[in-house]
Amino acid sequence: DAGVTQSPTHLIKTRGQQVTLRCSPKSGHDTVSWYQQALGQGPQFIFQYYEEEERQRGNFPDRFSGHQFPNYSSELNVNALLLGDSALYLCASSLPSQETQYFGPGTRLLVL
Amino acid sequence: QKEVEQDPGPLSVPEGAIVSLNCTYSNSAFQYFMWYRQYSRKGPELLMYTYSSGNKEDGRFTAQVDKSSKYISLFIRDSQPSDSATYLCAMSVRTGRRALTFGSGTRLQVQP
Repeated sequence: DAGVTQSPTHLIKTRGQQVTLRCSPKSGHDTVSWYQQALGQGPQFIFQYYEEEERQRGNFPDRFSGHQFPNYSSELNVNALLLGDSALYLCASSLPSQETQYFGPGTRLLVL
Repeated sequence: QKEVEQDPGPLSVPEGAIVSLNCTYSNSAFQYFMWYRQYSRKGPELLMYTYSSGNKEDGRFTAQVDKSSKYISLFIRDSQPSDSATYLCAMSVRTGRRALTFGSGTRLQVQP
């Protein structure tokens, strides 16, 4: 049973550019959450998708947007990249009735 | 003040020691508590999940919750060098499809 997968593993962008990160949830999971983890910090919740809609959002600007596809996979888009967007971006999946979320390996984004 | 406080460490112990990791929280609405282990440059891995106050044991790991004091702990018995990682506490307010709020993580080093 494949766990949560994310692509790409690493990415380097320059300020002002746009980036798209991808996530495939664990088999059978329909809910995807995205988190940003800065170096030395715990993950911070960005937003959550299920039934192809954004359901909850953390304290992130609207430069951060997402999408969920009918097969439950998801994308995170970040526009007008800032140096401060450099972080590990984590995707987590869960079942509707579960409190626990299972994380992917993350995408490490470096903005120069 | 952060909703969840966690001592960043680093915590260095000899192999075989008992390790105690702790988090305090301020939001009394938190009902579900998790511990994740994160190896360097990897995604968080779920270790333990608890709901009620009291203890929950799984092998060498024991999770403890004291809701009256807003304090949670993770104990690791017979620690091994392979336990060297960052330990993150996480919590949520309700069941199903809720954002997780994380502590900043405690870095643990188990010396052989």
